[in-house]
Amino acid sequence: GAGVSQTPSNKVTEKGKYVELRCDPISGHTALYWYRQSLGQGPEFLIYFQGTGAADDSGLPNDRFFAVRPEGSVSTLKIQRTERGDSAVYLCASSLNGGGTETQYFGPGTRLLVL
Amino acid sequence: AQSVTQLDSHVSVSEGTPVLLRCNYSSSYSPSLFWYVQHPNKGLQLLLKYTSAATLVKGINGFEAEFKKSETSFHLTKPSAHMSDAAEYFCVVTPTDKLIFGTGTRLQVFP
Repeated sequence: GAGVSQTPSNKVTEKGKYVELRCDPISGHTALYWYRQSLGQGPEFLIYFQGTGAADDSGLPNDRFFAVRPEGSVSTLKIQRTERGDSAVYLCASSLNGGGTETQYFGPGTRLLVL
Repeated sequence: AQSVTQLDSHVSVSEGTPVLLRCNYSSSYSPSLFWYVQHPNKGLQLLLKYTSAATLVKGINGFEAEFKKSETSFHLTKPSAHMSDAAEYFCVVTPTDKLIFGTGTRLQVFP
C-alpha cells in the first residue's frame, strides 16, 4: 500500500473488555513496530517484529498486552481486560529491514478510549 | 541507557523569524538521532535523521539540525518560520531498533 494503515481509527470500549487493533504496514517492509502515545507525551515503544517473530517485546507493560504478526505482514495488538489507563493513541510503524538507521514510517494511529 | 531531553515544551515565534528547538541526548556510544513532526490529527513524519555521516543534516521543509558530540546536542533550526510549521516536534534517539522519543516541543507560529 501507499502507507501504513491502522484500523479502527477510533475505538471506545468499557473497562474490562477485550480489544484488537490492526496495523497494515507498507508492502515489503519486514520490520513492524507498535508504540503508545498518551496525552501530552511522546510515543513509547511497545514491541518490534522482524518478519513473523517478536524481536523485542520489552515495552509491553504487562501480560494483558499481546501482539501477533502471523504472516509477516499485518499485525494485531490485543489488549485483554482493558483498564482506563490503557486509553491512548496506539501507533504502528514499519521499516524496510529494521535497524537503527532506517526510517520508520508511521500510521495515523488508533485512538483508544476505555470508559 | 539512551535518552533525549527536549528543553522547551512550548516555543512561540512570529512568521518569518528563525526557529530553534533544542534537544540534548544521552548515549554511551554514537547514536542515531531523528526529528519527527506531528501535525494535529496526522501521523508522525520524519523531518531528518543523523546516522554518523555529516554532522549538519538537512531535512524537509527547510529544517536542519547539527549533531554536536561535545555538547551532546541535536538542535533543530529553520531560518524562517511558516504558519504551516505549527505542530509538535519530537527529538528521537535509537539504540538499536526501537525509537526513544522526547516529550515533545509544541511550536506555535504567529502571523
